[in-house]
Amino acid sequence: DTAVSQTPKYLVTQMGNDKSIKCEQNLGHDTMYWYKQDSKKFLKIMFSYNNKELIINETVPNRFSPKSPDKAHLNLHINSLELGDSAVYFCASSQSRSYNEQFFGPGTRLTVL
Amino acid sequence: SQQGEEDPQALSIQEGENATMNCSYKTSINNLQWYRQNSGRGLVHLILIRSNEREKHSGRLRVTLDTSKKSSSLLITASRAADTASYFCATEKIGDDKIIFGKGTRLHILP
Repeated sequence: DTAVSQTPKYLVTQMGNDKSIKCEQNLGHDTMYWYKQDSKKFLKIMFSYNNKELIINETVPNRFSPKSPDKAHLNLHINSLELGDSAVYFCASSQSRSYNEQFFGPGTRLTVL
Repeated sequence: SQQGEEDPQALSIQEGENATMNCSYKTSINNLQWYRQNSGRGLVHLILIRSNEREKHSGRLRVTLDTSKKSSSLLITASRAADTASYFCATEKIGDDKIIFGKGTRLHILP
């Protein structure tokens, strides 16, 4: 009965590989987000979807592609992984795009070797 | 670009003492939120204060907002070991859909 869940929790991979992270929320929220938290704990928004529509797309390399098959799911696919992609990626959701309280998933720690 | 900045970066206090963290931001906002992050976990929403509010309470938490100084403070009273965590402020700029997080304050409660 976890509100926002992410899989996998840990991901270790080689440079150049392609990987995906999945996120699901069972809160009935309309809006979902992807954040990247670097080694200094700085949390930066990457993408946001509202009812499957992309509404926020920060300056993120094209290698990152979000996909929202329905409003309860927001996946993140990363092509050609680079060392600098190593970070913790958090998924979050909020009731709507104008209701700001966000519920975060447990995070996916990505390590690129 | 970064909007909020917490101060101090790190804070260690004895259990039972009060902890105060500050957040300063640059542009006018709709609201400001505080989140807590325990080590290895996701962020947890603590409290939201709107731009027309000056103070808000939730349990042992007290948040103030001074829009003229573009700053907010989070006070945790009677701290407990379980309060050890990083605390982030997050601001929603006027006309923006997203919230921007500060760098956080690492709070360590000493037994």
